[in-house]
Amino acid sequence: GAGVSQSPRYKVAKRGQDVALRCDPISGHVSLFWYQQALGQGPEFLTYFQNEAQLDKSGLPSDRFFAERPEGSVSTLKIQRTQQEDSAVYLCASSLVTRGGNQPQHFGDGTRLSIL
Amino acid sequence: DAKTTQPNSMESNEEEPVHLPCNHSTISGTDYIHWYRQLPSQGPEYVIHGLTSNVNNRMASLAIAEDRKSSTLILHRATLRDAAVYYCILRGSLNNAGNMLTFGGGTRLMVKP
Repeated sequence: GAGVSQSPRYKVAKRGQDVALRCDPISGHVSLFWYQQALGQGPEFLTYFQNEAQLDKSGLPSDRFFAERPEGSVSTLKIQRTQQEDSAVYLCASSLVTRGGNQPQHFGDGTRLSIL
Repeated sequence: DAKTTQPNSMESNEEEPVHLPCNHSTISGTDYIHWYRQLPSQGPEYVIHGLTSNVNNRMASLAIAEDRKSSTLILHRATLRDAAVYYCILRGSLNNAGNMLTFGGGTRLMVKP
């Protein structure tokens, strides 16, 4: 079956531009997570949705970062007024409802964002 | 969150077993031990998880110490496609949803032909 799909695969933007990154989770997966992965580091949590509700946004690094999932399926991560430090791979993951916290998360291959 | 400690890198020969260690001395009684791996240019991939007993699946085995302060991921026969960064992660047992993964630096496994 189809896995988590992210687009675009690569994005180059000039400093100060706004960008939007898309995530199509696995059908039926209630939980959706966004992570940021800097070069040579492990992924770091950004935000979490359960259906359309954003239940945790504690990892968003600044108010320039905004995520939404209006119909409880596709999610978009938007970064406004991009800065060079925003350059990273942005990963999306989905899972079934994590009662007990142990459903595996299924990751997409990420969007590599480069800010010039 | 309880912290895990893994070696930065390990090397293995193809077709030999690989034992990847993880220390988690501050693990709580309800923390599960999860392993994910990340191949180059791909997102992380779930490998296995366990609580107290050793676990086996088609990808690997997980051996958990009796005191749960350490665990070992075992790849029974390494292939070149197993070259990846392996992450050992503790996840609390929650009644609500939203249990994010907290990744450390992981262990970079290199497999020699």
